[in-house]
Amino acid sequence: DGGITQSPKYLFRKEGQNVTLSCEQNLNHDAMYWYRQDPGQGLRLIYYSQIVNDFQKGDIAEGYSVSREKKESFPLTVTSAQKNPTAFYLCASSTPGQGADTQYFGPGTRLTVL
Amino acid sequence: GENVEQHPSTLSVQEGDSAVIKCTYSDSASNYFPWYKQELGKRPQLIIDIRSNVGEKKDQRIAVTLNKTAKHFSLHITETQPEDSAVYFCAASDRYSGAGSYQLTFGKGTKLSVIP
Repeated sequence: DGGITQSPKYLFRKEGQNVTLSCEQNLNHDAMYWYRQDPGQGLRLIYYSQIVNDFQKGDIAEGYSVSREKKESFPLTVTSAQKNPTAFYLCASSTPGQGADTQYFGPGTRLTVL
Repeated sequence: GENVEQHPSTLSVQEGDSAVIKCTYSDSASNYFPWYKQELGKRPQLIIDIRSNVGEKKDQRIAVTLNKTAKHFSLHITETQPEDSAVYFCAASDRYSGAGSYQLTFGKGTKLSVIP
C-alpha cells in the first residue's frame, strides 16, 4: 500500500467551491476506487474505475466527479453540489489475478468545509 | 445490492483475552470477505481475508470463519495485545466486474480497545 499516494493530507474548502483530491499509484493496478469515511459509517463507495477512460458510480456519487485519463491517476472532484462534503476520503486500487481482490488504500485526505 | 451488518460497534477486552467480531451479509453471491484494521488517522490495512470455498483461515493470532449457509463470517483475535486496539472493518464482495476487480461493501466498523 505504500505505492498509493494521496494529496493533500488536509484540505479546507469554502462553501460553493469545487476542490480536487489527488490519487496516484505506481502499483500497475487496473482498478481504482474512491471511498468516503464518516464517523460510525464505515467506508462508502463514491466512484470506481476498472480501466483507463472508464468509471462507474458507486453508492454515493452525487456531488462528485472523477476522471481516469491515466492508469496511475484517479482524481476526485468534490463539487459545490455535494451538500455535506466534510469527511475523510480514501483512495484504493486493486488488480485482477491471484489474490487480486485485495484493495490497497492510500493515506487519505481529510476535507473540511469552512 | 449487498448489505453488511457488523457487531458489536465497540468492544473492550483485557489484554490476553480473545476478541470476536461478527458480520452478516445479504447477497448469497458474495464470495470474498476481507477484514481491515484501521488505526486512528491512518489508512485501512488488510489483516486477513477468506474466500467462499474455505470455511476457516488462520494467521498467527488472527482467524476468520465463514458460514455460507447462514451468511455470516467472524474475526477472532486471540491473546490480544494493546497494539490490537483499532477499528476493524469487515467487507463482502458485491459483484464481479469485467476487469476482474471486486467491489467491496463494508460494515460500519468495530472499535476494539485492549486494556493493559
